[in-house]
Amino acid sequence: EAQVTQNPRYLITVTGKKLTVTCSQNMNHEYMSWYRQDPGLGLRQIYYSMNVEVTDKGDVPEGYKVSRKEKRNFPLILESPSPNQTSLYFCASSLLPPGAGGKLFFGEGSRLTVL
Amino acid sequence: AQKVTQAQTEISVVEKEDVTLDCVYETRDTTYYLFWYKQPPSGELVFLIRRNSFDEQNEISGRYSWNFQKSTSSFNFTITASQVVDSAVYFCALSEASNYGQNFVFGPGTRLSVLP
Repeated sequence: EAQVTQNPRYLITVTGKKLTVTCSQNMNHEYMSWYRQDPGLGLRQIYYSMNVEVTDKGDVPEGYKVSRKEKRNFPLILESPSPNQTSLYFCASSLLPPGAGGKLFFGEGSRLTVL
Repeated sequence: AQKVTQAQTEISVVEKEDVTLDCVYETRDTTYYLFWYKQPPSGELVFLIRRNSFDEQNEISGRYSWNFQKSTSSFNFTITASQVVDSAVYFCALSEASNYGQNFVFGPGTRLSVLP
């Protein structure tokens, strides 16, 4: 089954404790992206990756890091989480980039709470 | 800069009513793509439709229909004979050809509640 898998789905952590949210897709998509969803703000892009070893900042990259060492995986790293990073996070992938009309497939979301 | 506005924050209708969700976008590109996604209470994001800027044909899929009007920069979504299962948050989104990799820009969403 074609899917984007995120882990963990739910996480409560404390300020400053490094964490990684994993994302894996099995559709051989080149484009992957991370979004955060906050009430009233819709989804905002954090980072995206056009292909292996090619990553770039989205609209709200501060406090986050990503890597793309393999095509299927695109982990999101919070080196020193802060309470303002409490949010619902979505990983997405697509065969083509958005500007080429790529249709995004989303993971189920990871709800992160930073105390 | 690209922007998507969904002026209706929340809508409540009674089952079997028709409902239209509004989406207005801003872009300077001549080539762009518009999308609608559904987010049911379970939280996942479900793709509904993609439309490119050169195709202004309206689309109908079962009870769903979309009206794309470049003259008013709108891409509205109508649900006919709504059902309780249509209760969800609906997002309109825009991507521009000039923003090749970045920014699949979402509107703030419209929460639709369909009451039995």
